[in-house]
Amino acid sequence: DAGVIQSPRHEVTEMGQEVTLRCKLISGHNSLFWYRQTMMRGLELLIYFNNNVPIDDSGMPEDRFSAKMPNASFSTLKIQPSEPRDSAVYFCASSLGGSGFVGEQFFGPGTRLTVL
Amino acid sequence: GDSVTQMEGPVTLSEEAFLTINCTYTATGYPSLFWYVQYPGEGLQLLLKATKADDKGSNKGFEATYRKETTSFHLEKGSVQVSDSAVYFCALSGNNDMRFGAGTRLTVKP
Repeated sequence: DAGVIQSPRHEVTEMGQEVTLRCKLISGHNSLFWYRQTMMRGLELLIYFNNNVPIDDSGMPEDRFSAKMPNASFSTLKIQPSEPRDSAVYFCASSLGGSGFVGEQFFGPGTRLTVL
Repeated sequence: GDSVTQMEGPVTLSEEAFLTINCTYTATGYPSLFWYVQYPGEGLQLLLKATKADDKGSNKGFEATYRKETTSFHLEKGSVQVSDSAVYFCALSGNNDMRFGAGTRLTVKP
């Protein structure tokens, strides 16, 4: 199994540009999580989908951030416009969950975003 | 809401020392408990888990026991190695919820 796949692995962009991060879930998994990790704030949950439906998006910082699941195996996290404070490592994770249950999460390798 | 509190780091030990990283939780219902490990430059990986009270999770010499009476899930290893240097996260999975602790950085010196 290929595991969770994230792209790109590194992204450097300038303030104001649009950034799109991509994630492919493990086959058969039905839950998808986006996290952000920084030295200052640690690991933060941004949004959680179950069966393509957003369950908890309370961690999404502001309207500049949006996440979608166009199909059951793929997700995007978009930042528009990007700001230097968005610089972080962004992880996605997938799991096999049931009704009201979050199973063991499998993390991708992360995307290191730098906004200049 | 549910939450996880774990011992602040960093923790620095000599090789072959005994390791304990404390983790306590607050939750309604009966959550599952996890320890994840993050090596430099990588994503988190599941280290061990326990799904009900008194269960012991173990892997790679690490152990943790789900203690409902003390709401704890402390991570232990009898003899650490340099290769165990990493950040360790305690986590719980409850009702439509997943909470991680702040992480504890462990450095093991030869």
